[in-house]
Amino acid sequence: DVKVTQSSRYLVKRTGEKVFLECVQDMDHENMFWYRQDPGLGLRLIYFSYDVKMKEKGDIPEGYSVSREKKERFSLILESASTNQTSMYLCASSTIRAGRNYGYTFGSGTRLTVV
Amino acid sequence: GESVGLHLPTLSVQEGDNSIINCAYSNSASDYFIWYKQESGKGPQFIIDIRSNMDKRQGQRVTVLLNKTVKHLSLQIAATQPGDSAVYFCAEIGISNFGNEKLTFGTGTRLTIIP
Repeated sequence: DVKVTQSSRYLVKRTGEKVFLECVQDMDHENMFWYRQDPGLGLRLIYFSYDVKMKEKGDIPEGYSVSREKKERFSLILESASTNQTSMYLCASSTIRAGRNYGYTFGSGTRLTVV
Repeated sequence: GESVGLHLPTLSVQEGDNSIINCAYSNSASDYFIWYKQESGKGPQFIIDIRSNMDKRQGQRVTVLLNKTVKHLSLQIAATQPGDSAVYFCAEIGISNFGNEKLTFGTGTRLTIIP
């Protein structure tokens, strides 16, 4: 019954490494989102995509990029990982119904530690 | 700037009692709100939603109240059970700079049910 799958549950990377976080959804949703979650800050939107090859910056895009080559897959890229990017990363997807986003569904998260 | 936030970071309730979790928002144009529950090690899960043309919506043991005058919403959980222990987030649908919908979260309230 898993609908949004994040490829890794835990990751440990070194400072300066290029890091790829993968997310796949099987609901044929148009929109996909990447959030990071930190204690006391809730979930903050990094990037989102409303169509294949389309993307838009969220509230905290600095240090990140994304790729959406196929409808079901949305990748978050840390070009050069830094310790302040240690966080829980959550992927979500939603569909369009009557012109509005609907059915937001989240993955279980990837806990990334940058050392 | 626009924001959505919760009043209390933690809340403890005796098992069997009712609990109320509050949330304030600042964007008077927001017309759709969602409550999520996040258990340890999992992604946020949809609980209930409400649109701005409603003041109240009920689900199974949960009720959401929306007061547009003071830009406040609350989640009421009746007859709390140990499984209700989790972090609860309110979220609002906002519009990005390019006119796309995005979901903005509050900082969350950790609800602990005391046996």
